[in-house]
Amino acid sequence: EDKVVQSPLSLVVHEGDTVTLNCSYEVTNFRSLLWYKQEKKAPTFLFMLTSSGIEKKSGRLSSILDKKELFSILNITATQTGDSAVYLCAVGGETSGSRLTFGEGTQLTVNP
Amino acid sequence: KAGVTQTPRYLIKTRGQQVTLSCSPISGHRSVSWYQQTPGQGLQFLFEYFSETQRNKGNFPGRFSGRQFSNSRSEMNVSTLELGDSALYLCASSRVGTGGNTIYFGEGSWLTVV
Repeated sequence: EDKVVQSPLSLVVHEGDTVTLNCSYEVTNFRSLLWYKQEKKAPTFLFMLTSSGIEKKSGRLSSILDKKELFSILNITATQTGDSAVYLCAVGGETSGSRLTFGEGTQLTVNP
Repeated sequence: KAGVTQTPRYLIKTRGQQVTLSCSPISGHRSVSWYQQTPGQGLQFLFEYFSETQRNKGNFPGRFSGRQFSNSRSEMNVSTLELGDSALYLCASSRVGTGGNTIYFGEGSWLTVV
């Protein structure tokens, strides 16, 4: 059975701090790993990673995948209060269509 | 380009009733999948439809069912509602429906069962 474990489950930082969120996974015939940001609504797509070692960047957010160690990290630099949200990691397999297995999420709180 | 649209956004039902939720995927997307999100269980996969056929199914009882129409719009139905069915139901769409395609979520339907 596919499995995704995120850590930490909860994190409180001050504006301007840099945070690293972790995601480890076990999936049959890995195809992709996706990161989402969820505030009090639907998950918003951040990144999709399919290849090891290639960093994806979008503004202050970046993510990288290690397929050998079955691990991904999401970095947020110079955090802002608007970054406060639950960050979800999900994996999809080659034969699982659009089925994603999600981790529990990391609740990030950024205080002013 | 319009995103994934779900209706209704909020609804309250009584135990034993049934409910139908609707989802319109992003234009051009043929895969629609449904997820249930609760505080205790997180996001859990219900089922996926692609070209009007159910392609994947999660570990939910038969009370949960769905279908997809020729225009890719999808509905899910929950019969004989239980209190534990109270949740946010999310619909997601992707272009082809393989693991390598970006999957986009709708705003969700908040279901409360009383």
